[in-house]
This record gives sequence, structure tokens and C-alpha cells, in this order.
Amino acid sequence: NAGVMQNPRHLVRRRGQEARLRCSPVKGHSHVYWYRQLPEEGLKFMVYLQKENIIDESGMPKERFSAEFPKEGPSILRIQQVVRGDSAAYFCASSPRGGGSTEAFFGQGTRLTVV
Amino acid sequence: DQQVKQNSPSLSVQEGRISILNCDYTNSMFDYFLWYKKYPAEGPTFLISISSIKDKNEDGRFTVFLNKSAKHLSLHIVPSQPGDSAVYFCAASDSNYQLIWGAGTKLIIKP
Repeated sequence: NAGVMQNPRHLVRRRGQEARLRCSPVKGHSHVYWYRQLPEEGLKFMVYLQKENIIDESGMPKERFSAEFPKEGPSILRIQQVVRGDSAAYFCASSPRGGGSTEAFFGQGTRLTVV
Repeated sequence: DQQVKQNSPSLSVQEGRISILNCDYTNSMFDYFLWYKKYPAEGPTFLISISSIKDKNEDGRFTVFLNKSAKHLSLHIVPSQPGDSAVYFCAASDSNYQLIWGAGTKLIIKP
């Protein structure tokens, strides 16, 4: 998973604040995926982005969550008005191309704690 | 509705012996299966994969077996080493980009 950089590694937010999670993919990778892992559970798909485009956001909650992957800069997962239930580990992965046969490389994750 | 299930939350194995991690799935459209390994406070690391057209794939100490009729796959690690202690996730894909993950099995290798 070398190369995918997520920051911050740990983020503490009070209820109602905004959380911004950043992901810089492996150089040359144009496909980014965000996953969320709740305690004692597997990773759950949230959103798939290519440069400047959201391909599939079917795993994202309809409200308060948004994601972008601009032409320049990292991908951002934004959570507005955080609630306790948003506390989780958020993982970003990147791949050079889409498709299920590609092994995506994962970042180390951002652990969000809402207090 | 769990499409990918890892029914053993944890597994303890003696160093040097074989570790067998199991995974069951329900969606017959899945055509690609992957195993990831995860250490605490790190992201998952790809370990080994298998296409549905095969029933076995081997890479060093790691072998994945796929039984399509039973919708079951397993990861064999032999011989098990202390560094293998981690959480192992099974994931599946249906020619799409989404990976559907199991809940993971924590493998503990005892010295």
C-alpha cells in the first residue's frame, strides 16, 4: 500500500463540526475509492471517483457527506455536521484503472472520532 | 445482507503449522476474489487473488482455493510465521469496481 497518503491519520471533531479527510493517490493513479470501516466490521464501499468525476457514490449517505477528486490536488472526503455515528476508520484506495480485477492500493486510513 | 462472510472472528495457530482462513459468499455473480492482510493502524495490503475461472492460486506460502459450487474460498498459509499475525479480509467483485468485504478474521500465530 505504499504511495497512497492519507491525512490526517487521526481526527477528532465535536458534534456539529466539519471533517475533511484527504487522500493523495499513488502517482499516476486516476481512480480513487473511499471505504469506511466501523468497529468489528469489514470495509464498506462509499464512493468511486476519477479525476473530476464521481463515478459511483451509491455507498455514501445522502446527506452531510460529499467527495471530490479535482484535476489538481488530493481527493477530499467531506463530512458536514458530524455525529457520533460517523466515528470510524476511513480508507482511501487508488488504482491505475477501474474494474474489479485491479488490486487497489490502500492508504493507512484516517481515524475519525466524534466527541 | 452480508454477501461475503467470514464466520471466524479469530483463529489461533502454532508457528510452523498451517493456517486456514475461510470465506463464504452468496452472490454467484462474483467473479474475482481477493485476500487482504491488515495490521493495526494500517491500511489493508493486497495478498493474493483468484479469478472464478480457476480453483487454485499459489504464491509462495499463500494458496487460495475456490469452490464455486459451494461458494466458498479459503486461504492457506504454510508454514505460519509470527509476522503473519494480522486481520485477514476476504473481498469479492463482480467485474465492477466495488469490492464487497467480509468482516475479517484475526489470525494469531503462537510461538
